[in-house]
Amino acid sequence: DAGVIQSPRHEVTEMGQEVTLRCKPISGHDYLFWYRQTMMRGLELLIYFNNNVPIDDSGMPEDRFSAKMPNASFSTLKIQPSEPRDSAVYFCASSFGTDSPLHFGNGTRLTVT
Amino acid sequence: GQQVMQIPQYQHVQEGEDFTTYCNSSTTLSNIQWYKQRPGGHPVFLIQLVKSGEVKKQKRLTFQFGEAKKNSSLHITATQTTDVGTYFCAAGAGSYQLTFGKGTKLSVIP
Repeated sequence: DAGVIQSPRHEVTEMGQEVTLRCKPISGHDYLFWYRQTMMRGLELLIYFNNNVPIDDSGMPEDRFSAKMPNASFSTLKIQPSEPRDSAVYFCASSFGTDSPLHFGNGTRLTVT
Repeated sequence: GQQVMQIPQYQHVQEGEDFTTYCNSSTTLSNIQWYKQRPGGHPVFLIQLVKSGEVKKQKRLTFQFGEAKKNSSLHITATQTTDVGTYFCAAGAGSYQLTFGKGTKLSVIP
């Protein structure tokens, strides 16, 4: 089992550019989560999916953020346009069933200049 | 919304000393999970507690869930340099939205 796979590992972009983060969950997991981690705010849940359907996106900061899960093995988090305050580490995590442990990917460190 | 307070924020210990981090919720929880994040790494699941008053052990780590299911603790006996990292509690309140504490960053001085 390769675990949760995220790409890219690092992303440096200029303000105003579009950023797309990618995630492949563990095969068979039916929940997928996107988290953002910063020193100031810690780990924040942005959105989560169950069986590819978005369940709760109340953590998405604003309309510049969007997430999709077109199939059980792939999800994207898009920021358009990006701003310096979006700089953070973005984690994708997956799990099987409710109240189950989360398996995190290695994260994408995003820097917006 | 649900709030989870985790203390202390930082802890520096001499190798061999004990370490404890505490997690407190404003609401009754369905379960609590603990994660460890090494520097530069990602959170890794350690354990889940579900029952009131539950105590679980993993080698030198002892996890407790309070009787009222509103608080939890993680205790490490005789810390080692391999214990360095940030320990997070994650509180579940039944809606499948885990709320993470801010974490306790542990430094171990050899």
